[in-house]
Amino acid sequence: NAGVTQTPKFQVLKTGQSMTLQCAQDMNHEYMSWYRQDPGMGLRLIHYSVGAGITDQGEVPNGYNVSRSTTEDFPLRLLSAAPSQTSVYFCASSYSILNTGELFFGEGSRLTVL
Amino acid sequence: AQSVTQPDIHITVSEGASLELRCNYSYGATPYLFWYVQSPGQGLQLLLKYFSGDTLVQGIKGFEAEFKRSQSSFNLRKPSVHWSDAAEYFCAVGDSGAGSYQLTFGKGTKLSVIP
Repeated sequence: NAGVTQTPKFQVLKTGQSMTLQCAQDMNHEYMSWYRQDPGMGLRLIHYSVGAGITDQGEVPNGYNVSRSTTEDFPLRLLSAAPSQTSVYFCASSYSILNTGELFFGEGSRLTVL
Repeated sequence: AQSVTQPDIHITVSEGASLELRCNYSYGATPYLFWYVQSPGQGLQLLLKYFSGDTLVQGIKGFEAEFKRSQSSFNLRKPSVHWSDAAEYFCAVGDSGAGSYQLTFGKGTKLSVIP
């Protein structure tokens, strides 16, 4: 039972480089989301999706793109990385965010931008 | 907009002592309230949640929380802390209104346990 799988777990980028953080879930959850976690800031929502083909912005969307072509996958793209994007990124999914509110989290991806 | 405040950044307790972690929220209607726990290097795991009904809710690992509407609080408690409870704890609020898909998290309280 894999749950929510994030890759890579660690990544170092140079300013201006692009990359994609992968997120996959095998629970048939319609809702998926990306958070970033910074010291003393808690978790802040970047983007979320309520189903394939539907995405929306969260609290801190600038500098990030997402797409949802399948129910299982929700990749997060950094088009031109900046040092301010150094953070730990978490993907989370839910069977029904409105009815249960329970999020299932991946183990995180630690990104450093030099 | 909804918001969550966790007044304590870091709490240290002795093993076997009782624990209370504070959470205050700001929300116009009846909120959905949650407590999550994060062990080092891990993602978050749901401890318990409140949607409606009994204001005292039980969760996993012996934790409980009480919703107090008059105080806009949802404090987490445990009668006897174990060393394995050392982790970071996050309170979160969800919008119970139709069409909202966001949980707002507090900044977290780090719990240290002294043997």
